[in-house]
Amino acid sequence: EPEVTQTPSHQVTQMGQEVILRCVPISNHLYFYWYRQILGQKVEFLVSFYNNEISEKSEIFDDQFSVERPDGSNFTLKIRSTKLEDSAMYFCASFQGQETQYFGPGTRLLVL
Amino acid sequence: EDQVTQSPEALRLQEGESSSLNCSYTVSGLRGLFWYRQDPGKGPEFLFTLYSAGEEKEKERLKATLTKKESFLHITAPKPEDSATYLCAVKAGGFKTIFGAGTRLFVKA
Repeated sequence: EPEVTQTPSHQVTQMGQEVILRCVPISNHLYFYWYRQILGQKVEFLVSFYNNEISEKSEIFDDQFSVERPDGSNFTLKIRSTKLEDSAMYFCASFQGQETQYFGPGTRLLVL
Repeated sequence: EDQVTQSPEALRLQEGESSSLNCSYTVSGLRGLFWYRQDPGKGPEFLFTLYSAGEEKEKERLKATLTKKESFLHITAPKPEDSATYLCAVKAGGFKTIFGAGTRLFVKA
């Protein structure tokens, strides 16, 4: 069964450093999302991406965040200058024409 | 403001003891209500999508129902392997999906 994959599974970085989180969505899907989940809290929407551009973003998704689909398979989330409060699980999700989103296993980001 | 509230926060059941989880929502123009299962340290695993009031879907021991203001996830004769956090999410206009805080289910053998 097709699945969403994410790399790395864990990332430890120093405050102020840049990180890039990578996702490979399901191959025929057209809509791509990033979410984050701070430990013990709700899953929070960050951004949606369709047709090579951002379709919607939340108030969390400020200028330090960016997304890119550099080729036909990868979808990346870049955090330019990480803060302690960016420590969380980051999930990528994708879907085709229906509304059901399929989530990846997540990247656990720890900012020290 | 669009909102999703799940109850109870935690639920402890004996194996075989059926129960229901609740998801109340306030959105303008519901495009879909979703149930996910999440195991610790893992991504949400899709269970059901419901689109309109009166709709019901079943999968093994789980059954999801939808009204105009809430959804229920009924668990019939649960087993220890059903222990997980169950997440409810809604999609209104646009692309944003709003999640509830989840119900942590513990099923004891």
